[in-house]
Amino acid sequence: DVKVTQSSRYLVKRTGEKVFLECVQDMDHENMFWYRQDPGLGLRLIYFSYDVKMKEKGDIPEGYSVSREKKERFSLILESASTNQTSMYLCANRNNYGYTFGSGTRLTVV
Amino acid sequence: AQSVTQPDIHITVSEGASLELRCNYSYGATPYLFWYVQSPGQGLQLLLKYFSGDTLVQGIKGFEAEFKRSQSSFNLRKPSVHWSDAAEYFCAVIMTTDSWGKLQFGAGTQVVVTP
Repeated sequence: DVKVTQSSRYLVKRTGEKVFLECVQDMDHENMFWYRQDPGLGLRLIYFSYDVKMKEKGDIPEGYSVSREKKERFSLILESASTNQTSMYLCANRNNYGYTFGSGTRLTVV
Repeated sequence: AQSVTQPDIHITVSEGASLELRCNYSYGATPYLFWYVQSPGQGLQLLLKYFSGDTLVQGIKGFEAEFKRSQSSFNLRKPSVHWSDAAEYFCAVIMTTDSWGKLQFGAGTQVVVTP
């Protein structure tokens, strides 16, 4: 089975901090995605990447950036965290079996 | 605008009763269709998917879904609900014209199961 691991389950950060959310896959798949999940809004796509150093904006990229220096790792960066970025963040990859999601990182910005 | 709609934000059902969750989409063509479940504190798990062919799709955990092209719907059903089915359910689509294969989600339906 494909495995997608998000390094932190819970994070609390202060307003204005630079925040890194890490995601690692255990296979050699190209496509990786970052979503945020909010009650009543479902999952919304922030950014995705289709190869090393390649990235595309999703539906809500404002306030975020991403980094993909190695194929297995896809990082979401909050350049200056704000309280409206308090959310659940889910990483996923697309593979031969479909999509595999990580367990999520619940980020609270105070 | 293209969208995925789950009309019911919250559904309460008795254990043993049947369950139906609604999903409608608005796209020019039939997309690829998915249902995911998220149990409390867990990640998303795929229940079933539809790409083409037989419009009644069987999934895991006793769930099934029916694609109706005329109604642009892909409703999820289970004949007899168990307490462990309490979770949030998401309908999702991939546009067939999307070369990146991005999953687009509905807002979700929270299912509560009562004894």
